[in-house]
Amino acid sequence: ILNVEQSPQSLHVQEGDSTNFTCSFPSSNFYALHWYRWETAKSPEALFVMTLNGDEKKKGRISATLNTKEGYSYLYIKGSQPEDSATYLCAFPTGGGNKLTFGTGTQLKVEL
Amino acid sequence: NAGVTQTPKFQVLKTGQSMTLQCAQDMNHNSMYWYRQDPGMGLRLIYYSASEGTTDKGEVPNGYNVSRLNKREFSLRLESAAPSQTSVYFCASSAQGPDTQYFGPGTRLTVL
Repeated sequence: ILNVEQSPQSLHVQEGDSTNFTCSFPSSNFYALHWYRWETAKSPEALFVMTLNGDEKKKGRISATLNTKEGYSYLYIKGSQPEDSATYLCAFPTGGGNKLTFGTGTQLKVEL
Repeated sequence: NAGVTQTPKFQVLKTGQSMTLQCAQDMNHNSMYWYRQDPGMGLRLIYYSASEGTTDKGEVPNGYNVSRLNKREFSLRLESAAPSQTSVYFCASSAQGPDTQYFGPGTRLTVL
């Protein structure tokens, strides 16, 4: 069984703080690493798909890096805002690439 | 272009009743998925269909059946609902297995 682990499980920060969280995944047979953003009472939405070692993706104040050799990805949020409050999920293709295995997520709460 | 649609949005069942959750996508995607979301458990895969005509069990298939009716539609059936099946159910689709998944709005199911 291939596990995707995320840390921390939850995080409370103040508005304006920068923050980051980690996704760990099996480094063998790497294909891709996905990040999703999941707001309460909504559906998960894709943020990034990362495929190359050393890859860095950016969307506004959110960016992500990838290290396939050691099996981790970091998600960074610069200058957190209350609207960034959500659960951030990472996911890794498994089952011969036919499905994604999701981590349990990092729940971020940004307070005023 | 509606993306992924799910019906119904809410449902209350009594123990032992049956029902079918419907999912459709209009993105011409090959792969479709059913997940359930429970507090502290993240997204857990129930069943998936890598392509039209195929279905496979996910992490938590017991008590459920699925039908990939055609390329657009993937239904989830509860034959004899149990309180443990109280959850929020999400359908998702992707072009192929390892690609970005697009989620429907969810169905909130309560089994009394």
